[in-house]
Parts: sequence; C-alpha cells; structure tokens
Amino acid sequence: EAQVTQNPRYLITVTGKKLTVTCSQNMNHEYMSWYRQDPGLGLRQIYYSMNVEVTDKGDVPEGYKVSRKEKRNFPLILESPSPNQTSLYFCASRPTESSGANVLTFGAGSRLTVL
Amino acid sequence: GQSLEQPSEVTAVEGAIVQINCTYQTSGFYGLSWYQQHDGGAPTFLSYNGLDGLEETGRFSSFLSRSDSYGYLLLQELQMKDSASYFCAAPPTDSWGKLQFGAGTQVVVTP
Repeated sequence: EAQVTQNPRYLITVTGKKLTVTCSQNMNHEYMSWYRQDPGLGLRQIYYSMNVEVTDKGDVPEGYKVSRKEKRNFPLILESPSPNQTSLYFCASRPTESSGANVLTFGAGSRLTVL
Repeated sequence: GQSLEQPSEVTAVEGAIVQINCTYQTSGFYGLSWYQQHDGGAPTFLSYNGLDGLEETGRFSSFLSRSDSYGYLLLQELQMKDSASYFCAAPPTDSWGKLQFGAGTQVVVTP
C-alpha cells in the first residue's frame, strides 16, 4: 500500500530533550515536506525537500532541523523542544512531475506535547 | 509571500449545496488545490485547478479565476460524512517547493 509513515504518533516530552520524528514514504516521491497544524492557523510548512540532499525552509522553520540522506526518509529533528512546539505534525510527499505535482500524500500525523 | 483566506465555518443540511470560497493575495501562483481533513485525521487531496475554470469530480467541483484572485470548492448533495475541514492550498510562483494553506473551513452537515 502506498503510504507515508510517521513515528511516533503521540509523544509527550519535556523542554530541552532532543527528539526526532521519523517520516518514510514508499512511493519513490522526490518531494517531501513537514507541516505543523495548530487550531485556527491551518497547516504551516516547516521544511521541504525537493530531492535527496536538497532541503529548504518553509514558513516556520525556527527550532527545527531536517535531513534528506535517502529518498524515502525525511526526519524532523527538534534539538531543544520548547512548549510552543506543542502541535500536530504532518509529513507529506508528492512526485515532482507537473501532472501530479500538487497531490500531496500525508502521513497520519504526530501529536507532540512539550511540557 | 501570500495569504489564502477562507471562511472559518459553514453549516448546511444533508442534501444541500455548499460553496467554500478561497481568495488569495499574491501576484500569481501555479494553481489552487483543495484538501479535506476529518477530525484527528490526515488531510487528503480533493481537487486541483491549474487553469481557470471548473473541475468536476463526482459530488465535488472546484473553480479558479486568476483574474479575480479567487477560487471555490463546491460540495453537492451533502452527506453527513462530508462534515470535515476543507483547506485551499497554493504554491507561490517564486518557490515551487513551498505550499501555503488557508486556515481551513469547518463544514458542519446537519440532518
């Protein structure tokens, strides 16, 4: 089954404790992206990657890091989490050819709470 | 940058038609997409308009007018399962990799 898999789905952590949210897709998509969703704000893009070793900032990159060493994986790293990073996080992917370029496939989401 | 504006909530009865508008503030973009999200779930792709005009997919249709900086999603023959949030999304022309979403419209379908 074609899918985007995120882990963990739920996490409660404390301020300053580094964490990584993994994201993996099995569709051979070149493009991957991370979003956070907060009430009333919709989905805001954190980082995106057009292909392996190519990453760029979205609208809210502060406090986050990403890496794209393999095509299928795009982990989101919070080096020193703070309470304002409490949110619902989504990873998504899509192919880059124009016919399918706007069809994002999303993971199930990771709900993160930072105390 | 750009912003996409849509109403926060729309309520309608089963069988009715609902139109969700999305207006954008940008000089141009590649096209407008629409996503549906049920409570606690992942957004799922509904429709994309790369050109002006109407795109129809079953009960759902989407429209784009670049000259009016405006698009809409039309939900017909509303069903209870259509109760969800709907988001418009667009990449700015200066960055194909970026994708911005509107804040979402909560559609509430009542019996």
